[in-house]
Amino acid sequence: EPEVTQTPSHQVTQMGQEVILRCVPISNHLYFYWYRQILGQKVEFLVSFYNNEISEKSEIFDDQFSVERPDGSNFTLKIRSTKLEDSAMYFCASSEAGRGNYGYTFGSGTRLTVV
Amino acid sequence: KNEVEQSPQNLTAQEGEFITINCSYSVGISALHWLQQHPGGGIVSLFMLSSGKKKHGRLIATINIQEKHSSLHITASHPRDSAVYICAVPGSNYKLTFGKGTLLTVNP
Repeated sequence: EPEVTQTPSHQVTQMGQEVILRCVPISNHLYFYWYRQILGQKVEFLVSFYNNEISEKSEIFDDQFSVERPDGSNFTLKIRSTKLEDSAMYFCASSEAGRGNYGYTFGSGTRLTVV
Repeated sequence: KNEVEQSPQNLTAQEGEFITINCSYSVGISALHWLQQHPGGGIVSLFMLSSGKKKHGRLIATINIQEKHSSLHITASHPRDSAVYICAVPGSNYKLTFGKGTLLTVNP
C-alpha cells in the first residue's frame, strides 16, 4: 500500500536556526498538507498545497514558514528561524480529494524539538 | 469553522468490553474520518465514511449526517487497542479539522 514518508523522524535544533522537514507524499494524490501537534494538544492544520501552489494556510503559517515541491516528488516545510513554541510533531499528509475520494494518508511525523 | 467535539476524553476499559467513542460536529460535511494515534505519535486512518456504517474487523463506525454525529465502536476490546482515537472532518480544500481525541486504555 502506498505510503507517505517523512524525514527525519526526530530533529533537535537551536532556537533561531532554520529547519527543513521533508516529505514524500503519494505521487498521484492531488492535495498535500502539513499539520502540527503540540504535545498534549490536538492536531492543527498549517497549509494545503494543490496544483503546485499553496491553496490555503492557517494563521499559524506566518512568514517564517514556507513550503515547496521542488522536484515533483518531495514536499518540504521550512521554518526559517525556529522558536521554542515551534516544538511539536509535524505531520505531512496527502489526499486524493478532488477526485471524489476523501481518503487521507499521513506520514509518521517528524518530532521537532527547539532548544 | 467546524467545531469537532469528542467524548469521552479518557476511557478505561477491561479487556473484552464493548467500547463507544462519540463525535459531533457543527457544520454539515461530506465525509468524516476516524483516526488512530499510538504513543510515539504516528497517525493511522481507520475509516472515512459519508453515510451509514462501516466495519473493519472489530471496529465499527457509524454516522448520522442529519444529526451531525458519528460513533466509533470497538467490540471485544484488547490491550493492543489502547491508543488515542481522533475524529476529523474536512473543510475548505479538504483540510481536516480534528477533535481533541479520546485516550483509550484497555487493561488485561
